[in-house]
Order: sequence, then C-alpha cells, then structure tokens
Amino acid sequence: QVQLVQSGAEVKKPGASVKVSCKVSGYTLTELSMHWVRQAPGKGLEWMGGFDPEDGETIYAQKFQGRVTMTEDTSTDTAYMELSSLRSEDTAVYYCAPYDWVDNWFDPWGQGTLVTVSS
Amino acid sequence: DIQMTQSPSTLSASVGDRVTITCRASQSISSWLAWYQQKPGKAPKLLIYKASSLESGVPSRFSGSGSGTEFTLTISSLQPDDFATYYCQQWWTFGQGTKVEIK
Repeated sequence: QVQLVQSGAEVKKPGASVKVSCKVSGYTLTELSMHWVRQAPGKGLEWMGGFDPEDGETIYAQKFQGRVTMTEDTSTDTAYMELSSLRSEDTAVYYCAPYDWVDNWFDPWGQGTLVTVSS
Repeated sequence: DIQMTQSPSTLSASVGDRVTITCRASQSISSWLAWYQQKPGKAPKLLIYKASSLESGVPSRFSGSGSGTEFTLTISSLQPDDFATYYCQQWWTFGQGTKVEIK
C-alpha cells in the first residue's frame, strides 16, 4: 500500500521559490507516476504536472510552464515540486498523488502542504 | 482542452436522502471518469474510477454511472459521514466541485 508524507507548511515572500517534498513508502518511486495538484483556499483542484512513464518525461500544465520543476530522488523515494517567482495567487495546499495511466485516477494523495505567499 | 462541469455547485440534503451529482464533459471521454470525496482540511479520496468501478473499501451506497459526456455520482442513502465536497476528474481536469451540506 502506497503511503505519502509531504513536507511541512511554508511561508514565502512574493518572488521567492518553494520546494515541497513527498516521501513514498510501501512502493518505490519508480513504480509510480507521481503528479502534483494544488488547491487554493476555498477553491477546486488544479493539476500542475507529473511524470509520463511512456516518454520518461515530466509534463507540466501550460499555466505553470517555466515556473515549476518536478524532480525525483529515487535513492530516497522522494518526489519534489519546486515553484518559483511566487505570487499571492500561489497560496494553496499542494498535494502529491500517483496517477494511474491505465484507469485514469489519482490515488492515494499526500496529506498536503500549505504554501502561503505573503509580504 | 476538455472541460468538466459539475452540477449543482451546492446541494442541501438530509440523512437518508438519495443524492445525485452530475458531471458533464465538453466532449466524449468514453468511461474515463473518476470521482473523489474531500472533507475540510483533508486530501481528496478516490471513490469511483472508470465511471462506475467502486474503489476498494468505499461503501456500496456510492455508485457511478454514465459514459460519453454525462456522468452521475449517486449516494443511495446519505450518511452523516458523507457531508463533503465531491469532484469529478478526467485526465488532468477536475470539475469545480459539489458541496453536499446538511439541510
């Protein structure tokens, strides 16, 4: 059974960067296609990007292209999502979740990491 | 890009009610639709995948149906634990959510 533990809450100033981690246990990271989804306060779920095993590449939502970088450390089974040039609209809970390419679902989800962008 | 539209946005219901939430896709997505439940302060939880397949451990009062562009999530008899927000999802796109609240 996959378990995901994310890093703790962050407070950042506008223009800064944030790096959120997602530690996998129960499976190895190479067995999963890890993706990231965020949720602004009181809002819905927004996909940011994730790993495409067919290409071996990471795909990003157009909205975040150039500002987001998703990486993986397979030696520690930890996935990372780094978002740069932060603005107040980036204040959100960021979730990691493996994506099943066969049946089209995200499961399970990490507990979420609140990133607050404030001057 | 495919758009997913849920209705209603908010639904008021009582314990024991039969509840139906609709999700419409802007173009045919076959049966590639999943449903999630999210409670305040918690991560989403997968309920149904491939439109009608119940995730292991999910109570049988939850069911999904539909194909093509129109899908429904039904809770046959609403329980106190079911008051939450529900999202549909197709590939990278989520519906805007339906909040089920106590009437």
